[in-house]
Amino acid sequence: NAGVMQNPRHLVRRRGQEARLRCSPMKGHSHVYWYRQLPEEGLKFMVYLQKENIIDESGMPKERFSAEFPKEGPSILRIQQVVRGDSAAYFCASSRLNTGELFFGEGSRLTVL
Amino acid sequence: KNQVEQSPQSLIILEGKNCTLQCNYTVSPFSNLRWYKQDTGRGPVSLTIMTFSENTKSNGRYTATLDADTKQSSLHITASQLSDSASYICVVSAGTGTASKLTFGTGTRLQVTL
Repeated sequence: NAGVMQNPRHLVRRRGQEARLRCSPMKGHSHVYWYRQLPEEGLKFMVYLQKENIIDESGMPKERFSAEFPKEGPSILRIQQVVRGDSAAYFCASSRLNTGELFFGEGSRLTVL
Repeated sequence: KNQVEQSPQSLIILEGKNCTLQCNYTVSPFSNLRWYKQDTGRGPVSLTIMTFSENTKSNGRYTATLDADTKQSSLHITASQLSDSASYICVVSAGTGTASKLTFGTGTRLQVTL
């Protein structure tokens, strides 16, 4: 019973490039959440999605960041025109219910040169 | 503003010893409080979830307490093992308890040594 799968685990991009992070939730989970963790800081909520719907994107920067969870396939967090400040660990979590226990992936670590 | 503060920021203990980690929160309205363990370079793993009516909850050698009146929680680790070395994160859920309304603490970094 696979857990939450994130890839890539590590990603290096130059300033101005695009970063795409993928997340496959646990089997049977329809709620997906993305968080960002900067060094020495707590996880910060970015966006909450269900299949084909963005439910809450109150934590997403207004520009350059977007997320989707298509009917088929993984959820994708997309960062356009990356800047050095985007360097962080991005965690995906999934749950069966919106009020249920969260299961986290191992994270994707983005480094912007 | 919802906040979760944890103390100490870091802690070193000898294998076999007990320790207690603290969490104070100012999240309103309170729904539930969660403790997670995060190994270096890994994702957080849930240890306990406590609702308003629960005072104590155990998971093996981990025991969490909650005082909703003083808005404090603690995580007690008994007979520590080297594998307990990790960051322990306190997370508080507001409102209806939806997972999108979580406030994360910055964690206590625990190191267990020989």
